[in-house]
Amino acid sequence: DQQVKQNSPSLSVQEGRISILNCDYTNSMFDYFLWYKKYPAEGPTFLISISSIKDKNEDGRFTVFLNKSAKHLSLHIVPSQPGDSAVYFCAASAARGQAGTALIFGKGTTLSVSS
Amino acid sequence: DTGVSQDPRHKITKRGQNVTFRCDPISEHNRLYWYRQTLGQGPEFLTYFQNEAQLEKSRLLSDRFSAERPKGSFSTLEIQRTEQGDSAMYLCASSLQGGANTDTQYFGPGTRLTVL
Repeated sequence: DQQVKQNSPSLSVQEGRISILNCDYTNSMFDYFLWYKKYPAEGPTFLISISSIKDKNEDGRFTVFLNKSAKHLSLHIVPSQPGDSAVYFCAASAARGQAGTALIFGKGTTLSVSS
Repeated sequence: DTGVSQDPRHKITKRGQNVTFRCDPISEHNRLYWYRQTLGQGPEFLTYFQNEAQLEKSRLLSDRFSAERPKGSFSTLEIQRTEQGDSAMYLCASSLQGGANTDTQYFGPGTRLTVL
């Protein structure tokens, strides 16, 4: 039973346009959500996070939106650049700060940005 | 500020052999995690340390797997009697309890294990 789902295995976007990556979760105990970017043969690189007390967090070209009622979050990249081409993982955890809890990851979405 | 480092980056071994991986976390981080990632999947949690104490283990961590963090700094993950199903990328992450971005986990480059 997957608790974190990324239903789109891949996404293709033109350079300069917006990329929207989606993630759904089922566990209502999750209170901290993160997005990671991964290049082949490298470890995941932290991009941006959001606490369940917020509905939006922005960092430069990256914005994460959280809809708790729908148990849905999305990552917006504007404008998209060819260097953004990578696999993007959504991750979630519960009891943030109370204990070092495991991150639960989705299967990832491969983003391809063409110039 | 150096990131999380892992050694070796690649390991090829024969079935039945033992292997050991090392992880050096970000220096001030007191939490350390091990994950495993197979093709087409996201990372899956294996185990977690706070300082030198191993506080959580996944059911994925069979009794052939053992992890240590003896002085609360670097950690080792040992797999005994390796099987072909152990072939995966083994990722280490660290985080700082109580700091900014609490529990944001930062990952190392991983160790790619191939069991022949």
